[in-house]
Amino acid sequence: GAVVSQHPSRVICKSGTSVKIECRSLDFQATTMFWYRQFPKQSLMLMATSNEGSKATYEQGVEKDKFLINHASLTLSTLTVTSAHPEDSSFYICSARDGVYRGYTFGSGTRLTVV
Amino acid sequence: EDKVVQSPLSLVVHEGDTVTLNCSYEVTNFRSLLWYKQEKKAPTFLFMLTSSGIEKKSGRLSSILDKKELFSILNITATQTGDSAVYLCAASGGSNYKLTFGKGTLLTVNP
Repeated sequence: GAVVSQHPSRVICKSGTSVKIECRSLDFQATTMFWYRQFPKQSLMLMATSNEGSKATYEQGVEKDKFLINHASLTLSTLTVTSAHPEDSSFYICSARDGVYRGYTFGSGTRLTVV
Repeated sequence: EDKVVQSPLSLVVHEGDTVTLNCSYEVTNFRSLLWYKQEKKAPTFLFMLTSSGIEKKSGRLSSILDKKELFSILNITATQTGDSAVYLCAASGGSNYKLTFGKGTLLTVNP
């Protein structure tokens, strides 16, 4: 079946630094990639949607200059958390939509801790 | 604004019980309704429903969608402790097929 590889699975960084999270679709072309964050005991909140080769569409309240999304190819999307602060600590998950079979496949998530 | 509401938010049952989880949605340009099971990490896919009234089954789990009432249920029969998890309902819609998630139902199955 479809697989999305997300890494790192866990990262601890200092306040003020930037962190890049990668999601790769391994055996299908991800026409659309979704990025979510999830706080403890809460549901997944959509941050942004990106289509290959175009700018990401951000949800209301999500700072696009802080959460940079790049979807340069049909198999790779990245989320960069710039100038991270402790309040950015969260679980970030990507989800890729296969334009052919129309399913959604999730990555395994990245636990970000900013100290 | 797109909205997905799940109920109950939490549920505690004994092994062998049958449970029904509910999901209602209001989504622009609705495409499909999805159910996921989340344990410690990322959600794992259970069902995707696009047509009304057609039950999908996978072992002890089954789900059905009512597009007239904007509602879906997930049934789990003969529950096992391994079914303990958060069950998430999500509705796909909009021009980008984005998923809007409900808050989830935390199911605890006691031995």
